[in-house]
Amino acid sequence: ETGVTQSPTHLIKTRGQQVTLRCSSQSGHNTVSWYQQALGQGPQFIFQYYREEENGRGNFPPRFSGLQFPNYSSELNVNALELDDSALYLCASSTIRNEQFFGPGTRLTVL
Amino acid sequence: AQSVTQPDIHITVSEGASLELRCNYSYGATPYLFWYVQSPGQGLQLLLKYFSGDTLVQGIKGFEAEFKRSQSSFNLRKPSVHWSDAAEYFCAVGAGSGNTGKLIFGQGTTLQVKP
Repeated sequence: ETGVTQSPTHLIKTRGQQVTLRCSSQSGHNTVSWYQQALGQGPQFIFQYYREEENGRGNFPPRFSGLQFPNYSSELNVNALELDDSALYLCASSTIRNEQFFGPGTRLTVL
Repeated sequence: AQSVTQPDIHITVSEGASLELRCNYSYGATPYLFWYVQSPGQGLQLLLKYFSGDTLVQGIKGFEAEFKRSQSSFNLRKPSVHWSDAAEYFCAVGAGSGNTGKLIFGQGTTLQVKP
């Protein structure tokens, strides 16, 4: 059984650019959640997808968007990058009623 | 508002000593509670969880936690700390109707272990 994987591991972008981060969920999991973890902080919930539909959203602007595919993998897209978007982005998969299993994260640096 | 507070930003203990990391939560309904550990540059690993039932829960790596509803607390404990336990520890509450939904995390506690 493979765990949650994320790509890329690291990414450097400049302000105003767009970025796509990817996540493959753990086998048997149909729910994916995305979190942003700024340096020295706890993770902050961005949104969750369940069976390809958004199932809750945190306090993030619309330039943060996502997708979930039929195989339950997911993408996080961020448009018009700002310096404050620099963070570790974590993906977690779960079945809807169980605990979330996290991937290793994507470190995004915005210059 | 739903929230999690970890009062201790940084804790240092000697190897072999006991450990207690504090966590207080604010949540209107019966909470789903979790402790995660994060090593530098890594994702989060689940140590243990509380959904219902016995208020003392056992986790991996010798950790346990006790849910105290009257104190809105879910403190993490370990009787004897190992050098490999040095990491960042996060307490989280699951906010959602009947499922874990989104997780609300505390700010984290950094554990340093002295030889």
